[in-house]
Amino acid sequence: NAGVTQTPKFRVLKTGQSMTLLCAQDMNHEYMYWYRQDPGMGLRLIHYSVGEGTTAKGEVPDGYNVSRLKKQNFLLGLESAAPSQTSVYFCASSHGGGQTAYNSPLHFGNGTRLTVT
Amino acid sequence: AQTVTQSQPEMSVQEAETVTLSCTYDTSESDYYLFWYKQPPSRQMILVIRQEAYKQQNATENRFSVNFQKAAKSFSLKISDSQLGDAAMYFCAYRSMDSNYQLIWGAGTKLIIKP
Repeated sequence: NAGVTQTPKFRVLKTGQSMTLLCAQDMNHEYMYWYRQDPGMGLRLIHYSVGEGTTAKGEVPDGYNVSRLKKQNFLLGLESAAPSQTSVYFCASSHGGGQTAYNSPLHFGNGTRLTVT
Repeated sequence: AQTVTQSQPEMSVQEAETVTLSCTYDTSESDYYLFWYKQPPSRQMILVIRQEAYKQQNATENRFSVNFQKAAKSFSLKISDSQLGDAAMYFCAYRSMDSNYQLIWGAGTKLIIKP
C-alpha cells in the first residue's frame, strides 16, 4: 500500500511565486491535514479537512489555501510565497467520526521541503 | 488552551541501554489521548505508542513503554534495549476530545544512540 503520498519532495520558489502541493491517500480516510515543521518547533496545523468538499483553518492558515475535491486528495496552495514559508510540509490522514476516531493515529507522508528565496 | 512540553531537546544513550524521554502537558480536561511519534532521518512520522487517559494501565509496544502520570500530567516514553534504528526525533502529542481530532505537538527530542 502506498499510504500517504506527497508531491513534490523538494521545491524552490522565488518570493511572490505560487505553487500547489499535492497529497493523496489510499486508505479511505475521512480526515486529512496539512502541517508545517520548523526547526525547534513541533508540527503546526495549517488547514484540515473532515471530508470531501470541506476544509477548515488550523493554527497557522494565513498565506495558504486548500481544497478537497476528492476524498483521497488534499491540495495545499501558496498564493504568493514568502521567505517565512520556508519549511517542511507534511500531509497526514486519519479515520474520522465517532469515538474510535480520537484514538486513530495519523498516517503521514514523507514531507515536502520548500525553500522560498 | 492545551500545551505540550518536551523539556529535553536532545538525549543520548548507549546502544542496548534504556532511555526515558519526558513529556508534560497542560489541560483542564479529564478525557483525552496521548501519542508518541518517531521521525527518523527519512522524515516520515511514525506512531510509536498511544495512551487513553481514562486507562490507568500504561501502554506498552515491545521495547517501548510509557509512564503515564495523569495527576502530574506527565507522559514519558521509555525505550529499552536501545538500538541504532531508534535514533530519531521523538514527538509527544495530545488530542483533546473536543478538538475535532486535532493534535497538539511538543517541540520534539532528538535521540542519539551511541554504538
